[in-house]
Amino acid sequence: DTGVSQNPRHKITKRGQNVTFRCDPISEHNRLYWYRQTLGQGPEFLTYFQNEAQLEKSRLLSDRFSAERPKGSFSTLEIQRTEQGDSAMYLCASSPSWETQYFGPGTRLLVL
Amino acid sequence: SQQGEEDPQALSIQEGENATMNCSYKTSINNLQWYRQNSGRGLVHLILIRSNEREKHSGRLRVTLDTSKKSSSLLITASRAADTASYFCATDPPGGGGNKLTFGTGTQLKVEL
Repeated sequence: DTGVSQNPRHKITKRGQNVTFRCDPISEHNRLYWYRQTLGQGPEFLTYFQNEAQLEKSRLLSDRFSAERPKGSFSTLEIQRTEQGDSAMYLCASSPSWETQYFGPGTRLLVL
Repeated sequence: SQQGEEDPQALSIQEGENATMNCSYKTSINNLQWYRQNSGRGLVHLILIRSNEREKHSGRLRVTLDTSKKSSSLLITASRAADTASYFCATDPPGGGGNKLTFGTGTQLKVEL
């Protein structure tokens, strides 16, 4: 069990550019979650996958955001036409059941 | 939107003292969880208490839940410098299936030597 990993750990981009983050969950965890955390706040739910199916999306997830989990393993979160307001920590978590979620270290995004 | 609010926002204590932080939430819940986050890093699950439980212990941690007041408290006994972190409560609404945790705003704990 190597834990949830996320790449990259840090990303600096210019406004208007597209960015993609990757999350590798703990193996055999069928549930995967994405959260966004801004400075001084708790994480906010973005979306949830069970295996390869995206079962819930927050209204925070605008049309510029898309998440995928092909084959029910790793997941990607893409932000198109980034805005300064997208600057945040993007956290991924996985779980084998409906209770405890195991979080990765996060990807810190800065949009200039 | 944040479901809960932690109180206090920041807490500074000496090593060996106990630390108590509180969480209030707005809607009914299935369970409530506490997480710890070290500076700039991911969250670590500490303890889960179900809506039909009133108190739970895990090592130096003690969690209470009062569903009538929609509040929970986390007590860390005999604190250590390594306990310095932000602590968040997270709620799972009924029917949520644990799929959509809603986190509070967090308490920043600093334990000084």
